[in-house]
Amino acid sequence: ETGVTQTPRHLVMGMTNKKSLKCEQHLGHNAMYWYKQSAKKPLELMFVYSLEERVENNSVPSRFSPECPNSSHLFLHLHTLQPEDSALYLCASSQEGQVTTGELFFGEGSRLTVL
Amino acid sequence: LAKTTQPISMDSYEGQEVNITCSHNNIATNDYITWYQQFPSQGPRFIIQGYKTKVTNEVASLFIPADRKSSTLSLPRVSLSDTAVYYCLVVPEYSSASKIIFGSGTRLSIRP
Repeated sequence: ETGVTQTPRHLVMGMTNKKSLKCEQHLGHNAMYWYKQSAKKPLELMFVYSLEERVENNSVPSRFSPECPNSSHLFLHLHTLQPEDSALYLCASSQEGQVTTGELFFGEGSRLTVL
Repeated sequence: LAKTTQPISMDSYEGQEVNITCSHNNIATNDYITWYQQFPSQGPRFIIQGYKTKVTNEVASLFIPADRKSSTLSLPRVSLSDTAVYYCLVVPEYSSASKIIFGSGTRLSIRP
């Protein structure tokens, strides 16, 4: 139990569907992240929210839309996805401003399959 | 950010000590060396971090030579449950966690 909970754990959707991934952190952190992990590829940072403001967006296609209503919750809204978007989507949180390097706390991920 | 190089994969047997070496030739003075572990279909988790010499916790030991251009993660008496991908990262002090870049890691397979 990492203190970061992701739902659903598994999702299968068609290319015309609209779905959302949810992440909740119980650690009191002030930053949340979405990462994508495709088979045999390194983790890719998609979005960063710090103090509920989006601070980074690494050129992610607009079919992925993040939402951070408060510091404990993060959503990734999905629409008109492509089969190549099938991957493990990981949510993470951190407490920015720590003395040493920021440590990331990851959820268990949402395994997305796009048909 | 300093680039890291580590073996793509390693195999070992239960009960053995496993050492995974990472090179980071361009490490800066204010960089910390951090290792994460990722089990299949789970997110990575932080296991150990160090600046120099040796750091030990309940999971692993981290050995860093004086020149800090490499580091070795040591897992004592591994079990099947230590099968995972291990990532070596170099991160500047006081930096945002958003600056952490994960490479391909080392895929460790433990056999009975």
